Amino acid sequence: SAVISQKPSRDICQRGTSLTIQCQVDSQVTMMFWYRQQPGQSLTLIATANQGSEATYESGFVIDKFPISRPNLTFSTLTVSNMSPEDSSIYLCSVAPGLTGNTIYFGEGSWLTVV
Amino acid sequence: QQQVKQSPQSLIVQKGGISIINCAYENTAFDYFPWYQQFPGKGPALLIAIRPDVSEKKEGRFTISFNKSAKQFSLHIMDSQPGDSATYFCAARGSARQLTFGSGTQLTVLP
Repeated sequence: SAVISQKPSRDICQRGTSLTIQCQVDSQVTMMFWYRQQPGQSLTLIATANQGSEATYESGFVIDKFPISRPNLTFSTLTVSNMSPEDSSIYLCSVAPGLTGNTIYFGEGSWLTVV
Repeated sequence: QQQVKQSPQSLIVQKGGISIINCAYENTAFDYFPWYQQFPGKGPALLIAIRPDVSEKKEGRFTISFNKSAKQFSLHIMDSQPGDSATYFCAARGSARQLTFGSGTQLTVLP
C-alpha cells in the first residue's frame, strides 16, 4: 500500500494567483498521477508524472497552466497557475506502487476555491 | 481518454438490500477495472478491483461481475448498510497505468 499526503488540504485563492500543491508518498514510486475533480463531478486525469521524465499531459491540460515537478520518487508538486473560478476543484495525487502498479491509491485531495 | 459509462447516477436502497452499479467501456486495451468509494470531503478509496480474465471477484459484501464480451462490469453490494452511503466510481486502467473514471453513482442506503 501507499500513504499519500497532500498539502494544502484546502485553500481559498484569489483570481489570477498561482498555488502549488505538494504530494508526499511514504514509499518510492515510479508512477504518479495528478487528477482533477470538479464540484460534483468525476475525476479527470491532468497528467502523468514519472520520475526521470517530463510530465505527460492529457488533452485539455497544458504545462503552462499546470506545471508539474517530480524531483524524486516520493514527491511531486502541481501548480495551478493564473487561477480563475473555473479552476475551483479538488486536485488529487495518485500513485501506482509496486512492479505491476495494479493498485492505484489516491491522496485526500487539495480542495481549492478560487474567488 | 476513452469513455467509461456508469449508471445509475443515483441509487436509493433500503438497509439490507442489494445495490447494483453498472459500467460499460469501449477501449479493449483497458487491463484493470477498479471501483472506488468516496465519502464527502475525502479522496477516493480503492474498494475492489478485477482483471479482465476473471468473471467475478468477491470481497466480503462487495462483488464485481465482469463480462468481457459485452465490455461491461458491475458492482454488487450485498446487505447494504447506511455506512455504505457514498459516491462510487468505476474506473478502467490504460496501458500507461492511467485511470479513466465513470461519472459516479451516489448511493444512499436508508436505515
